[in-house]
Amino acid sequence: DAGVIQSPRHEVTEMGQEVTLRCKPISGHNSLFWYRQTMMRGLELLIYFNNNVPIDDSGMPEDRFSAKMPNASFSTLKIQPSEPRDSAVYFCASRPYRDAVSSGNTIYFGEGSWLTVV
Amino acid sequence: SQELEQSPQSLIVQEGKNLTINCTSSKTLYGLYWYKQKYGEGLIFLMMLQKGGEEKSHEKITAKLDEKKQQSSLHITASQPSHAGIYLCGAAPNAGGTSYGKLTFGQGTILTVHP
Repeated sequence: DAGVIQSPRHEVTEMGQEVTLRCKPISGHNSLFWYRQTMMRGLELLIYFNNNVPIDDSGMPEDRFSAKMPNASFSTLKIQPSEPRDSAVYFCASRPYRDAVSSGNTIYFGEGSWLTVV
Repeated sequence: SQELEQSPQSLIVQEGKNLTINCTSSKTLYGLYWYKQKYGEGLIFLMMLQKGGEEKSHEKITAKLDEKKQQSSLHITASQPSHAGIYLCGAAPNAGGTSYGKLTFGQGTILTVHP
């Protein structure tokens, strides 16, 4: 089975440029999460969607960040304009949305997109 | 907000030794996830615990959640170089609802296993 697929795996861009990260969740999963990992702050949730609807974007650092989920099989995280402090690993994760007390609430992560802004 | 403290921050062991990593929460844990991460790779799901006193095992890794649901431990028996990596615990914020997957993570424990 294909896992969560992210692209690009690595990106180096110049400050001020637009960056778009892409994610394909596991088929049948209807919750999708974007996380960011840095040495200083660890792994932090940026935004998550249920059934393609953004539920909580309180983790999005500022207006330069935006995320969309136009359909159940695709999501994007966009940074415009990018800054050096945005350099991090961005993870996408998905899970099937179920009652929390049921078993099988595994959250699967992609392999990440390594972003470097110079 | 919920905070997770992992200990130790790093651990170096000789192959074959047993080891334990702890994850302590400032609030009641409603769902506690353990992941393993290798440098340059994503997070690999290990186990998820929900009930007080629950214990799960997979191969040589055992995870436990205490009765009060504020501390979890990950125990590796007879460690191997393949166990090396960063171990992360993640906590679900509440007992239900759409926010269940909104995990708060500990800072991670870096495990090195010398052959």
